[in-house]
Amino acid sequence: DTEVTQTPKHLVMGMTNKKSLKCEQHMGHRAMYWYKQKAKKPPELMFVYSYEKLSINESVPSRFSPECPNSSLLNLHLHALQPEDSALYLCASSQGRAPGREAFFGQGTRLTVV
Amino acid sequence: GIQVEQSPPDLILQEGANSTLRCNFSDSVNNLQWFHQNPWGQLINLFYIPSGTKQNGRLSATTVATERYSLLYISSSQTTDSGVYFCAVERGNAGNNRKLIWGLGTSLAVNP
Repeated sequence: DTEVTQTPKHLVMGMTNKKSLKCEQHMGHRAMYWYKQKAKKPPELMFVYSYEKLSINESVPSRFSPECPNSSLLNLHLHALQPEDSALYLCASSQGRAPGREAFFGQGTRLTVV
Repeated sequence: GIQVEQSPPDLILQEGANSTLRCNFSDSVNNLQWFHQNPWGQLINLFYIPSGTKQNGRLSATTVATERYSLLYISSSQTTDSGVYFCAVERGNAGNNRKLIWGLGTSLAVNP
């Protein structure tokens, strides 16, 4: 099983709303990632969790708040977003700390901020 | 930092044609992956290929690490091959310093 599951698939939210994106994997991977992707661009890394600890924050605004409750789950809490935050949000996972491990992606959440 | 360049940026094929996509990278890497992003946004792993050659059906890939390039071959293309093909590399130490660096992609359209 090489599946990373993201929910919801689509989300429309107002600028004053609070919402959460969820990501789950059962491959035993210990590194999990959030990416943001705008149209016709490659994914941009936002956060990396390694062994359930935040190891990389790519200077993401505080209106995005990641959480890793356990080794299988990754959340992204959203609050007071702006229309320019509309994008495809992708979750990924890979095995362990060693470099060069293959990354697997979820199908993404397409977020629209109105 | 490491640079990843993909070519061509855009490609239009007639169904049944073959094609080669290229990925050049500017430094040694410990991971190279090819992905296909379908029109719905799903990033599908094609190959994990830091070096050597692999084949999977109509697709194959070769990475020549010493010369810092990778090639993705698509044979007998089908309309379902349409989408964007990304090359992504990783150059980092164990533990916290691990990131995929992405090329800008090759946008492929296969016409029936």
